[in-house]
Formats: sequence, C-alpha cells, structure tokens
Amino acid sequence: GESVGLHLPTLSVQEGDNSIINCAYSNSASDYFIWYKQESGKGPQFIIDIRSNMDKRQGQRVTVLLNKTVKHLSLQIAATQPGDSAVYFCAENYSGGSNYKLTFGKGTLLTVNP
Amino acid sequence: NAGVMQNPRHLVRRRGQEARLRCSPMKGHSHVYWYRQLPEEGLKFMVYLQKENIIDESGMPKERFSAEFPKEGPSILRIQQVVRGDSAAYFCASSPAGGPRDTQYFGPGTRLTVL
Repeated sequence: GESVGLHLPTLSVQEGDNSIINCAYSNSASDYFIWYKQESGKGPQFIIDIRSNMDKRQGQRVTVLLNKTVKHLSLQIAATQPGDSAVYFCAENYSGGSNYKLTFGKGTLLTVNP
Repeated sequence: NAGVMQNPRHLVRRRGQEARLRCSPMKGHSHVYWYRQLPEEGLKFMVYLQKENIIDESGMPKERFSAEFPKEGPSILRIQQVVRGDSAAYFCASSPAGGPRDTQYFGPGTRLTVL
C-alpha cells in the first residue's frame, strides 16, 4: 500500500484565512519530504522541502512541520489567496531504498473562496 | 532558464498504436525521472535515467513500456501497443547533476488518451 497518505481529500477556506494540509507517512526511514502544488492541467510545482534533521522550515507564506514521532507532515499556508487553489501533494524519499524515487500521496484539493 | 519541457502536451492514440513522449530536462540537469498520474491520484514513479543509462526502471510495466535518455536529445518514454488503461498524464522531472537527491522539477506533462 501507499506509504504516504493524506488525512483530508478536500479543504475549503476563506480568502485570507490560514490553511493547514496534513500528510502521514509510514516509512520511518524516510528522511526527505517535499510539498508540491499542482494546478489543473499543469505539472507539480515545488513548494518547500524538509529533511528529517529538522522539524520546521519556513518559506514565503508557507511553513512545513515534521513530526517524526508520529510520522506526520503538514503544510501551513498563511493568508490563503485564490491563487493557492490547487491540489497539494506530499512526497517522501527514503535513504533505505532507492534514494531518488519520490513516493507521492493522493493529494488534497484546496479551494479558496473569495 | 527554461523549465522542463514535454511534448506533446496532449496525445490521442487508438488501441494498438504506439505512443512516444518526449522530455527535455532543465538546462544543466542530467537526471531524468518519469512518473504516471491517473485521474485523482498521486504520481507513481516509473523510471529514473541518466544520460545513456537506465538507473532504475522498477516502476515500469514489464511489457510494452521502454525509456531512453540518449547522449544527445530528449528523453523518450515509449509505449507500444497502447491499451485504454494506459490513458493517464505522464510527467517528466529532472534534477541537477549534483545528485539524484536534489529537488526534482516537473514538466507540464503529456496527457495520453487511448481510444
């Protein structure tokens, strides 16, 4: 089965609110995690990544949190905008196996209401 | 700096025909990955190539699918005798020559429809 999965398939928020997208992984050997954004008809776009030696990383309006104890990953988007509407995927990479192969979750559809 | 290029963007084939999907990595990138995405699902790894070498094809179906990344020119994903189940979006990604654990950047994809 999938080693990476998402708790919520859809998320609807109001413009200006903060969004939190969650992801669970089952492989404790995973040491690199990435969030991608995919707009309709386009390829995945890199948002932010984090390595297992960190528990938090911030970018522009986005923050990724990693909790290795419960094998949970989250993406926080501050002041969500209509342009943030997309499907968000978490992906993992584990050094115990093929260290170049990304394993993707099924995705969460984020809808931002004006 | 142009991103990952894929063509065609849309491809329609009848059952039994061949499909050829092309991918040009970002400038300076020598690692190419192919993924397949079924509707409303995440991407599934298919194959990882470096110039003239297939490094890992563990995600490729055993039959009808092949990939190459020649010394010159784009990477090609070839599907022979396509069936309806091959209908999907196929994405190519590339990463810098610095190593396969570098960030993978994706192209816009080729959407294959098999009639």
